[in-house]
This record gives sequence, structure tokens and C-alpha cells, in this order.
Amino acid sequence: AQSVAQPEDQVNVAEGNPLTVKCTYSVSGNPYLFWYVQYPNRGLQFLLKYITGDNLVKGSYGFEAEFNKSQTSFHLKKPSALVSDSALYFCAVREEGYSSASKIIFGSGTRLSIRP
Amino acid sequence: GAVVSQHPSRVICKSGTSVKIECRSLDFQATTMFWYRQFPKQSLMLMATSNEGSKATYEQGVEKDKFLINHASLTLSTLTVTSAHPEDSSFYICSAGALGGGAYEQYFGPGTRLTVT
Repeated sequence: AQSVAQPEDQVNVAEGNPLTVKCTYSVSGNPYLFWYVQYPNRGLQFLLKYITGDNLVKGSYGFEAEFNKSQTSFHLKKPSALVSDSALYFCAVREEGYSSASKIIFGSGTRLSIRP
Repeated sequence: GAVVSQHPSRVICKSGTSVKIECRSLDFQATTMFWYRQFPKQSLMLMATSNEGSKATYEQGVEKDKFLINHASLTLSTLTVTSAHPEDSSFYICSAGALGGGAYEQYFGPGTRLTVT
């Protein structure tokens, strides 16, 4: 069964500094990997995904993530953090395939706090 | 882009009553819909997977008689919380899946906050 780990409950970064939110995964086949962001009392907003191709994936709001197969990681990064980036971030994984029953499994979430 | 709506966005009900939450795919047909619940400051936990016209598949530990799921059409799935109790208070999020551009995609709704008093 697939699983996702986000080892940090909270990440604190000063505005303007680079940020990294860590994620590692475990799947039996090839993974589909996702990052979502959630603001208070709101649903999920899609940031980016890795399906295949380039290991560096660029997404919304200046975020990017690097797929590392050997380390089974998919860390989220941004070169220069904004206060408005403060939110809850979820990494998620789905096993490859066309099956409509392929479930997305979420990590525990990392709260990102950007201080002015 | 694909849009998924949920109704209501917030609902307060009394203990012992039932409440229905709707999940709709607005501009596409969803072969599969998923229901998640999220407790405060926690991750999303998959409750069940429903395919149009067939019975839902529940995750381990989820009571199928308490959380009734109906997926009567390719654009609508409903989750009914029966005989609700305060511990059922949570944020419920649905997602709708469909094949698009050669890949299977899931699109998430905005969530429904249920408070049981």
C-alpha cells in the first residue's frame, strides 16, 4: 500500500528566504505525486504534480518540487517566501494507472509560517 | 478547468439527526468520487470510494451504515451522515475523478464543515 510522510509538522521561514517542505513516499509501482495547499476553513488548492518527465516540476504561485526516485522524495520548494504563503501544505501520492479506484493518499500536512 | 462543488458549505445539526452532503462535478462527468474527512489540524482521511451506479467501497474502520454514500449519476454523489453525534463533527471533502488528457485526474471540492450539537 502507498504511503506518504511529511516529517515536519511546522516550518518557519523569514519572508524573502527560500523555503523547503519535505515529503517522502512509498508505492509499489510508479508514483503520481501531488502538492496541495489549504487555507483556514477552505478546501484544497492544487499546486503541482509529477507524473513523468522532468524531475523538477513547476507549479502555481512560484512553487516547484523535485522528484528524486532514489531517495523516494518529492520536496516542495520556493526560492523566495511570501507572508501569503503561510498555510497548511499536503503532499499526496497515487499509484500509476488508469484505474478509477486508484486512491490518493495524503501526508499528515506541514504548516508553513512565513514571518515578515 | 474542472470544478467540483459541495453543498452545503456549512451545516449545524442536532445530535441524532441525519444530514446529507452533496458533491457535484459541474463541467465534467466523474466516473469515481471520493469522500474524505479532516479533523482539526489533521490530514485528510479517505472514507470511501464510490463508482457511479455501484456500491461504495469503504476504508477500514469507516461504518458504511453510518456514512451512506450514493452515486446515482456521473455528476452527483451524496454522503449522508446518519444519526449524527458530536464526534462526527468534521470537515468533509469530496473529490471527483475522470480520465482527461490520457491521465486520471482528481478534482477536489471546497469542503463541508459539519457541526453536530
